[in-house]
Amino acid sequence: SAVISQKPSRDICQRGTSLTIQCQVDSQVTMMFWYRQQPGQSLTLIATANQGSEATYESGFVIDKFPISRPNLTFSTLTVSNMSPEDSSIYLCSVEGQTADTQYFGPGTRLTVL
Amino acid sequence: AQTVTQSQPEMSVQEAETVTLSCTYDTSESDYYLFWYKQPPSRQMILVIRQEAYKQQNATENRFSVNFQKAAKSFSLKISDSQLGDAAMYFCAYRSPLGGLYNNNDMRFGAGTRLTVKP
Repeated sequence: SAVISQKPSRDICQRGTSLTIQCQVDSQVTMMFWYRQQPGQSLTLIATANQGSEATYESGFVIDKFPISRPNLTFSTLTVSNMSPEDSSIYLCSVEGQTADTQYFGPGTRLTVL
Repeated sequence: AQTVTQSQPEMSVQEAETVTLSCTYDTSESDYYLFWYKQPPSRQMILVIRQEAYKQQNATENRFSVNFQKAAKSFSLKISDSQLGDAAMYFCAYRSPLGGLYNNNDMRFGAGTRLTVKP
């Protein structure tokens, strides 16, 4: 499976600011995914990011709030904009494995908004 | 739409014993993929086991095995010889095949089961 890293691993931010989370993979992958995991909850997909095209957002998530970049096949960023305490969550990126049906996850970024 | 249900918010097992975690799902597709992921307190999501719906044989990975009942839409995880390191949140997940009926490519996760292992 791919080795996936995320930066930062955790952060504490002030209301109204923005944070950009980076996801780096050690191999080229077509599809990358960004998930949110609210405290004590399951994972919810935010968007799917393909290299060279606009990210596809799930219902309830918009580009203005969660802009995503995918400049190449090994890297993606997710920005959480104009943060509020409700954005406090773990944000995880994932990639497809050699069998496209399986996803492997990064270690996550724990975000706390005060 | 596909939904995944884990009816056991918490489970507990004695070290070296066997425990079964339940998962049911709802789908209209005949071909799909099912997964169990483990999330320890470090929060890293780790793939435990994968099952292809068109394969009748239950998947097995060392001490982890599944009981896949396609007609009943049930996908339970059995952990044998439980170890302290098995303590974690366990998530059941469903994924459609690429180009499938629902034309989506994300994973649908259940709410999770928190497993405690008692020494």
